[in-house]
Amino acid sequence: EIVLTQSPGTLSLSPGERATLSCRASQSVSSSYLAWYQQKPGQAPRLLIYGASSRATGIPDRFSGSGSGTDFTLTISRLEPEDFAVYYCQQYGSSPPGLTFGGGTKVEIK
Amino acid sequence: QVQLQESGPGLVKPSQTMSLTCTVSGGSISSGGYYWSWIRQHPGKGLEWIGYIYYSGSTYYNPSLKSRVTISVDTSKNQFSLKLSSVTAADTAVYYCARFDGFVDYWGQGTLVTVSS
Repeated sequence: EIVLTQSPGTLSLSPGERATLSCRASQSVSSSYLAWYQQKPGQAPRLLIYGASSRATGIPDRFSGSGSGTDFTLTISRLEPEDFAVYYCQQYGSSPPGLTFGGGTKVEIK
Repeated sequence: QVQLQESGPGLVKPSQTMSLTCTVSGGSISSGGYYWSWIRQHPGKGLEWIGYIYYSGSTYYNPSLKSRVTISVDTSKNQFSLKLSSVTAADTAVYYCARFDGFVDYWGQGTLVTVSS
């Protein structure tokens, strides 16, 4: 079973700053099946990035994803007030089939 | 625009079987190409995949829950369902239904299920 470890657990930043979130896998993950989600309180998660680096429909270009193998990164170039939320990475494995989520990174206002 | 909506009891007694249904609109489950999934989130915690089903009925479950989970599909109603048996307080969570194909692109709003006597 692949384990995804996200760091840091909490990121305290100010609006306008750059946020860099890490997702590390316990073994190599196909980039095609690495995704990032944003979740705000009381809401379902929202897909931000799929295939490690492709933005989902309607996602602003300040959000970008990168990485391969076991190390993946979500970058928010300039934080907007609406970006303060919890972010999860997720991978899909075909053998055995299943989804795994990271533990999440909370981006909070400093 | 695909929409998913969970329905079912919000309160279940310990040791009972909880049942939830997800109704899909704006797209047909039987058109294929996607898996239909259940994901839960314990209060204040992260996301846990429960399992998913294909329109043909093929299922895949999280090994940690496999012995208690059944996911089924009713293509005539464009619905899929979750049954979780022998529930305990540890199963109290928000349950989401979702459309999945390597990543989840559509989520239901989520429904809180509380296990309590």
